[in-house]
Amino acid sequence: DQQVKQNSPSLSVQEGRISILNCDYTNSMFDYFLWYKKYPAEGPTFLISISSIKDKNEDGRFTVFLNKSAKHLSLHIVPSQPGDSAVYFCAASATQGGSEKLVFGKGTKLTVNP
Amino acid sequence: DAGITQSPRYKITETGRQVTLMCHQTWSHSYMFWYRQDLGHGLRLIYYSAAADITDKGEVPDGYVVSRSKTENFPLTLESATRSQTSVYFCASSRTSGSFGYNEQFFGPGTRLTVL
Repeated sequence: DQQVKQNSPSLSVQEGRISILNCDYTNSMFDYFLWYKKYPAEGPTFLISISSIKDKNEDGRFTVFLNKSAKHLSLHIVPSQPGDSAVYFCAASATQGGSEKLVFGKGTKLTVNP
Repeated sequence: DAGITQSPRYKITETGRQVTLMCHQTWSHSYMFWYRQDLGHGLRLIYYSAAADITDKGEVPDGYVVSRSKTENFPLTLESATRSQTSVYFCASSRTSGSFGYNEQFFGPGTRLTVL
C-alpha cells in the first residue's frame, strides 16, 4: 500500500515556464512534507519542506502548496531552468509519533527543454 | 567538511557472497538510514538507527543486517547476496527533530551494487 504517490513518472516543460509536480498521500498522520531533487549518479538533496500547519512555503523559484483536506501537495518551479532537470521525490513524515522516518514517493522525472 | 560518504561507490558481486556497504558521516547526527532505489519503486527504507547501538527495521529489511557501534558509522551487510538485491543504495543522516518541525535527511552519493 503506497502511502505517498507521485502519479506522473515524467514531466516535460519549456525553459521559462512553470513546472508543477504533484504528490498525494493517504496517511492522515503525516504532518511534515519534503521535496528532494536527485541528479543522476548523485544522492538526493533536500529542496523545500512544509509543515501541515501551513498551506504554502516559498523559497526563491520553488513553492510548495499543501491541501490537507485533499491530502495533496504540489511543487511549483517558476521559472523553470534546464538545470532543474532531475528526478523529484516527494516525502512525508509523521513527526508527532516521534518518528524520524520518511516515506518517499516513486519520483517524477522533470525535463526542462531549452 | 566531508559530510556523508559511502564506499564503495560501485560493487559487483556474485550470488551467495557477503557484501558490506559502508557509510560514514562527520556531522555527529543521531539518526542514520539506509535506502535502496529501484526503478518503479522510488526510495525504500531498509534499516535505520536512532543512535549508536539502536537500530530498527524499515520497509524492506529482509536479507540485510546493520550495526552501529559508533555514531559516525552505519554499515549495511548483505549476508548472502541475491540478484534481487541489485540496486542503488543510499545512506542518509539527520539530527533529531525535537518538538517542532523536522530536520531533513542528508544523503550520501550512493553505492551501485550488482549481484550476478
